[in-house]
Amino acid sequence: AQRVTQPEKLLSVFKGAPVELKCNYSYSGSPELFWYVQYSRQRLQLLLRHISRESIKGFTADLNKGETSFHLKKPFAQEEDSAMYYCALSSSSGGYQKVTFGTGTKLQVIP
Amino acid sequence: NAGVTQTPKFQVLKTGQSMTLQCAQDMNHNSMYWYRQDPGMGLRLIYYSASEGTTDKGEVPNGYNVSRLNKREFSLRLESAAPSQTSVYFCASSEFSDSRGDTQYFGPGTRLTVL
Repeated sequence: AQRVTQPEKLLSVFKGAPVELKCNYSYSGSPELFWYVQYSRQRLQLLLRHISRESIKGFTADLNKGETSFHLKKPFAQEEDSAMYYCALSSSSGGYQKVTFGTGTKLQVIP
Repeated sequence: NAGVTQTPKFQVLKTGQSMTLQCAQDMNHNSMYWYRQDPGMGLRLIYYSASEGTTDKGEVPNGYNVSRLNKREFSLRLESAAPSQTSVYFCASSEFSDSRGDTQYFGPGTRLTVL
């Protein structure tokens, strides 16, 4: 079974402070991991995925297979980063893409 | 492109009433999904359709039915609504049915309240 854990429901940081949103996963195979973001009154959208190894809006995430983690980081938080963030793990199962989402972390950036 | 669209945006039902949530995508994607989002539980898969003409159960299918009307449209039906089905419902689509690394594109959601 695959599982994604986001231990923090709410993370509050001051503008300009570093941000780290935690994500741990459980999966027996080689994982495909994503971060999705939902801004206020907007739809859920992809932020980044580990296979792309890219930085989006200043965010990065590194897959650590030893610690089974995929934490999302940004060195300097901006007010516009305030949103709900979901970590997700994808596998191919029975002919479809099975995506397991974490419970989400609400990031609140304080001006 | 509108991407993934959902109707309605909001709905209030009484216990026992039925309704259908509509979803359409204009990205020519093969796979479509219905999720529900509940506080503290993330998104849970209700049903999915790997390709036109096929549907299958996800993690929480009880009380729901789906129809993949064509490649664009995937509807979710509640035959007899229950208060436990109060939730926010999201439709999503992806290009491939079995690609682990494929991005899912989400609709804006339908907020359903069952009294």
